[in-house]
Amino acid sequence: DAGITQSPRYKITETGRQVTLMCHQTWSHSYMFWYRQDLGHGLRLIYYSAAADITDKGEVPDGYVVSRSKTENFPLTLESATRSQTSVYFCASSDQSTKGYGYTFGSGTRLTVV
Amino acid sequence: GNSVTQMEGPVTLSEEAFLTINCTYTATGYPSLFWYVQYPGEGLQLLLKATKADDKGSNKGFEATYRKETTSFHLEKGSVQVSDSAVYFCALAYNAGNMLTFGGGTRLMVKP
Repeated sequence: DAGITQSPRYKITETGRQVTLMCHQTWSHSYMFWYRQDLGHGLRLIYYSAAADITDKGEVPDGYVVSRSKTENFPLTLESATRSQTSVYFCASSDQSTKGYGYTFGSGTRLTVV
Repeated sequence: GNSVTQMEGPVTLSEEAFLTINCTYTATGYPSLFWYVQYPGEGLQLLLKATKADDKGSNKGFEATYRKETTSFHLEKGSVQVSDSAVYFCALAYNAGNMLTFGGGTRLMVKP
């Protein structure tokens, strides 16, 4: 199906475990983004990517790793999960002209670290 | 740098009431402005946008006018419904880095 999909939708993991959140888009958009959403903090940018093999840090990158070997995929890895990383994670994508079109968001992954 | 400031919520209204959610921005140049809506348990969806001064974006009965003189993009709706209950985010996009800058979000609760 066309669009941007995130998986899993829900995830519970233990402190210290590695977990990877997946994001896949079918439009060949060049830009992709990862945000976390927490009560009282709104949306905070974790990492973004301008193209395959090009990634850069956002506002809150510590504890996260990203890769983008293919244009359509942008996985987010928590190397050693902590309780402070309990959050809802959103992936988004845009084409070259965000100024005119904004982002398209996935449905989110709710991650709980116990 | 660029920033977006929204009125804090929650905003609680009765059905058919008039809605205004204030949004002001700070940016150099001429950004585009957006309103996104997030329904419970879902991701953000683009509600409306305006790409230049004095443009009016509209969708689903919502409107917002790009006011450069007051650096504002207030969201309005003449008669809200229970189904409009959601979190609304104001955002701006500026060419550099193709990034969106978001406001903190405003929760709207509409009671029957």
